[in-house]
Amino acid sequence: DVKVTQSSRYLVKRTGEKVFLECVQDMDHENMFWYRQDPGLGLRLIYFSYDVKMKEKGDIPEGYSVSREKKERFSLILESASTNQTSMYLCASSLPTENTEAFFGQGTRLTVV
Amino acid sequence: GQNIDQPTEMTATEGAIVQINCTYQTSGFNGLFWYQQHAGEAPTFLSYNVLDGLEEKGRFSSFLSRSKGYSYLLLKELQMKDSASYLCAQPTSGGSYIPTFGRGTSLIVHP
Repeated sequence: DVKVTQSSRYLVKRTGEKVFLECVQDMDHENMFWYRQDPGLGLRLIYFSYDVKMKEKGDIPEGYSVSREKKERFSLILESASTNQTSMYLCASSLPTENTEAFFGQGTRLTVV
Repeated sequence: GQNIDQPTEMTATEGAIVQINCTYQTSGFNGLFWYQQHAGEAPTFLSYNVLDGLEEKGRFSSFLSRSKGYSYLLLKELQMKDSASYLCAQPTSGGSYIPTFGRGTSLIVHP
């Protein structure tokens, strides 16, 4: 059974903390993505990676960075967490073709207090 | 970004048929996806259309009209478990194929 696994289901962090969200996939996919999902706004792309050590900014990269040192792992980093980063974070992976679907992790609900 | 538009919310009765519409940007078209997302869970793949017409998969069907930039998801014999958000998505052009999503349609099925 193919899987995308996110390290935490729920997280509560304090304002100003550095936060790491980890994502691992076992499908040997080249593409990996981080989205955040907020009510009424849908899924918005934060960062995208198409290969090890390669990354591209998505629509809302401000306040975030990413790391992809190994093909199967894609980490999202909140350099200094703020309350407006309270959200559901979804990691996904896919093959680099137009006709294959993305596979999602179960999501991390992050609350910044 | 790509403009994908779908209704915010729909309600329907158990056993009925519902059609969820989606309009999208036609330039650089690489196909159109539908995903289902239950509350608190990850989106899961339902369908992919790249050619015009209707594709049927059990109770769920998906339709595409490339010339009109229009798709719909048709759900038949609705069940309570079909209450979920339905996300329309298209991959970006230019070789990256990044899934870009609409805001989702929340479907509420009532008895």
